[in-house]
Amino acid sequence: GAVVSQHPSWVICKSGTSVKIECRSLDFQATTMFWYRQFPKQSLMLMATSNEGSKATYEQGVEKDKFLINHASLTLSTLTVTSAHPEDSSFYICSAPGLAGGPSTDTQYFGPGTRLTVL
Amino acid sequence: GQNIDQPTEMTATEGAIVQINCTYQTSGFNGLFWYQQHAGEAPTFLSYNVLDGLEEKGRFSSFLSRSKGYSYLLLKELQMKDSASYLCAVTRYSTLTFGKGTMLLVSP
Repeated sequence: GAVVSQHPSWVICKSGTSVKIECRSLDFQATTMFWYRQFPKQSLMLMATSNEGSKATYEQGVEKDKFLINHASLTLSTLTVTSAHPEDSSFYICSAPGLAGGPSTDTQYFGPGTRLTVL
Repeated sequence: GQNIDQPTEMTATEGAIVQINCTYQTSGFNGLFWYQQHAGEAPTFLSYNVLDGLEEKGRFSSFLSRSKGYSYLLLKELQMKDSASYLCAVTRYSTLTFGKGTMLLVSP
């Protein structure tokens, strides 16, 4: 099946620093990847759609200058949280749509997530 | 806009059957997913419904009624490891919108 990895799995940083999170599709190519954020006991909220070779599409209310997304290749998307603040502490999860062999091309396969804590 | 409702919490005992309901109101609809999420982990795929009716997969079954904007996830022969959050998600053009999830607690 489709495997998506994320790195790092957790990170603790000081307020004001920037943090980069990588999302990789390991055994398939993904022209589109999705970035979600999940606060404790809340649902996953879509932040942005990462598109290979073009600009990311951000959801309403998500600051594009704060959450920089780069889809460098067909297997890698990165999310950089710039000038992180304590309120950015959250669980960040990426996903990529599945391909043939899955129940639907709409099926999304999720990375294991990155726990960000900003002190 | 999209609105997806599911109960916040449910409890059940080991070996029992539990049904988790999900209602949705969306401006567009391709299909409905159910995902399982254990605390601190990413969601894992359980089921996908695009047509009306029941999809059965082992201990888990999922039902969809497009006309009623309604789905349910049925878990049979509950096990302790089934304690998790169950997320209902509607898909439209490969974009998933999640409900808030139902936390299921299975007790001995």
